[in-house]
Amino acid sequence: AQSVTQPDIHITVSEGASLELRCNYSYGATPYLFWYVQSPGQGLQLLLKYFSGDTLVQGIKGFEAEFKRSQSCFNLRKPSVHWSDAAEYFCAVGLSNSGYALNFGKGTSLLVTP
Amino acid sequence: EPEVTQTPSHQVTQMGQEVILRCVPISNHLYFYWYRQILGQKVEFLVSFYNNEISEKSEIFDDQFSVERPDGSNFTLKIRSTKLEDSAMYFCASQTGLGDQETQYFGPGTRLLVL
Repeated sequence: AQSVTQPDIHITVSEGASLELRCNYSYGATPYLFWYVQSPGQGLQLLLKYFSGDTLVQGIKGFEAEFKRSQSCFNLRKPSVHWSDAAEYFCAVGLSNSGYALNFGKGTSLLVTP
Repeated sequence: EPEVTQTPSHQVTQMGQEVILRCVPISNHLYFYWYRQILGQKVEFLVSFYNNEISEKSEIFDDQFSVERPDGSNFTLKIRSTKLEDSAMYFCASQTGLGDQETQYFGPGTRLLVL
């Protein structure tokens, strides 16, 4: 079955530390991959996306993600976390043959400590 | 920068009542979507809409739900007879087309509470 898995429900990091949020997918074909961020009470903001080409994708707010086909993963990284990065992060996949309806993971809640 | 807007931001209704959630997609976008997020759960796809008809819907989108683009700017989601389990945040999204590099832009959501 097609699925998107974010193994970590909660992650706590210290401000200034590096961050990696995991995302694994299970699809027959290579899907289109996205990371969205949701701040409390806010909507979903696109951080970055992968469609094809270079497997290392740069996004907004200093985030990047690397698509690893052999591991079916698309992990989100940031070298130095800021307190304002505390939010809920969602990995999502879309398929061109489904009108790009997005299938979201359950999300990872990021807490940043001083 | 153009944004997807949604109204109302919050709505409280009694079980069995009809609700209409409104969205104004970005003006040059052609594909429209509704998603919902039950508190504490993941965002779930409901329906996609193109050229004045539903292009895809999930199993959640049953006969109690309908969508409409009544006037060329608004995109609405109607729930005919709300149930307690319809309480959720409802997100509208839109995108320009279906080519590569397309991105769905999400609105801020409408939080629906069914009592």
